[in-house]
Amino acid sequence: GAVVSQHPSRVICKSGTSVKIECRSLDFQATTMFWYRQFPKQSLMLMATSNEGSKATYEQGVEKDKFLINHASLTLSTLTVTSAHPEDSSFYICSAYGTGDEAFFGQGTRLTVV
Amino acid sequence: GENVEQHPSTLSVQEGDSAVIKCTYSDSASNYFPWYKQELGKRPQLIIDIRSNVGEKKDQRIAVTLNKTAKHFSLHITETQPEDSAVYFCAALPRAAGNKLTFGGGTRVLVKP
Repeated sequence: GAVVSQHPSRVICKSGTSVKIECRSLDFQATTMFWYRQFPKQSLMLMATSNEGSKATYEQGVEKDKFLINHASLTLSTLTVTSAHPEDSSFYICSAYGTGDEAFFGQGTRLTVV
Repeated sequence: GENVEQHPSTLSVQEGDSAVIKCTYSDSASNYFPWYKQELGKRPQLIIDIRSNVGEKKDQRIAVTLNKTAKHFSLHITETQPEDSAVYFCAALPRAAGNKLTFGGGTRVLVKP
């Protein structure tokens, strides 16, 4: 199947700083990627849809100025958590589709804001 | 938008017994229903999926059933093993949603040896 690679897998940052997470499709092109957030013992919640060459579309309640998404190429989407606070600590996961309906997920990024 | 409910939230079974997880969805336009297994700190892994033109699908110890009329779909794991312990998520994909999967709340399965 298709491979989606996400980096970093873990990051600890200080409150008020920004963190960038990368999501790459390794063996296919993805015009659309998806970013999810998962709090402990909870489900995956879609944050935004990343669209290559255009603005991301955000789900209701997700602050677009806080979670900046850039999809500059067909294989790379980045999520930047700006001015991070402890409540932003979570597991962030990206996904993309190959040629069918199956979604392929990145490894996830465990963000801890201290 | 689509809403997916999943039950139970936790399930404890004895090794060798069967486990059943049930989901309901709200959008009749949904036509693809995957099931994922997620181990702690790892990415969700697709274990089986079913499309709306099929009522049942089986892959070794895992089976999924779909009732389109009732908007129900279920995961069945037979002969459970300790390595089946994980969190399982159902999901639904509406045809016109731009590939936006909606996940159920998850079921934490514990298989006791």
